[in-house]
Amino acid sequence: AQSVTQLGSHVSVSEGALVLLRCNYSSSVPPYLFWYVQYPNQGLQLLLKYTTGATLVKGINGFEAEFKKSETSFHLTKPSAHMSDAAEYFCAVSGVNTGNQFYFGTGTSLTVIP
Amino acid sequence: DAGVTQSPTHLIKTRGQHVTLRCSPISGHKSVSWYQQVLGQGPQFIFQYYEKEERGRGNFPDRFSARQFPNYSSELNVNALLLGDSALYLCASSEMPTGYQPQHFGDGTRLSIL
Repeated sequence: AQSVTQLGSHVSVSEGALVLLRCNYSSSVPPYLFWYVQYPNQGLQLLLKYTTGATLVKGINGFEAEFKKSETSFHLTKPSAHMSDAAEYFCAVSGVNTGNQFYFGTGTSLTVIP
Repeated sequence: DAGVTQSPTHLIKTRGQHVTLRCSPISGHKSVSWYQQVLGQGPQFIFQYYEKEERGRGNFPDRFSARQFPNYSSELNVNALLLGDSALYLCASSEMPTGYQPQHFGDGTRLSIL
């Protein structure tokens, strides 16, 4: 069965510091990978996705993620945190092993300290 | 262009009642999926519909049902409501039910069961 693990349910960083949110997946076949952000009382907004091709993908708001097959990881990074980045972040997988359904991790709450 | 719209935004029901939630996908999107998001957790897949046919079902009891209409809008029905059904119900749409196309989410319906 497909699963997604997000290490660290809460992450705090100082404004201007590096943001690193971790995501690992379990699959014998590399899945499609996504990062979403959720602000309070809102739905999920797509940050970036990896389907095929270049393993380093860039998304909106300065975020990027790197697909590492050998580590079954898809960690999300941003060089310099901004106060507006405070939100809940979800990693998701999809693909053949999931019947093309989306499976989400439990989320990481990011706090940005001024 | 309008995004995914869901109605109502908030709903309060009592145990044993029935509820219907509605979703209109982005124009041109033919696939609709439903998710349940319990507080502090990631979205859990409930159903996926494409061209009015059910394409996938998550691990939810038969009290949950859904359908898709010719205009691609969708309804989620939940019978015999339990306290544990209290959650944010999210609808997402995509052009087709392929795993590599990202899901686009509405802002959800907040369902509270008393």
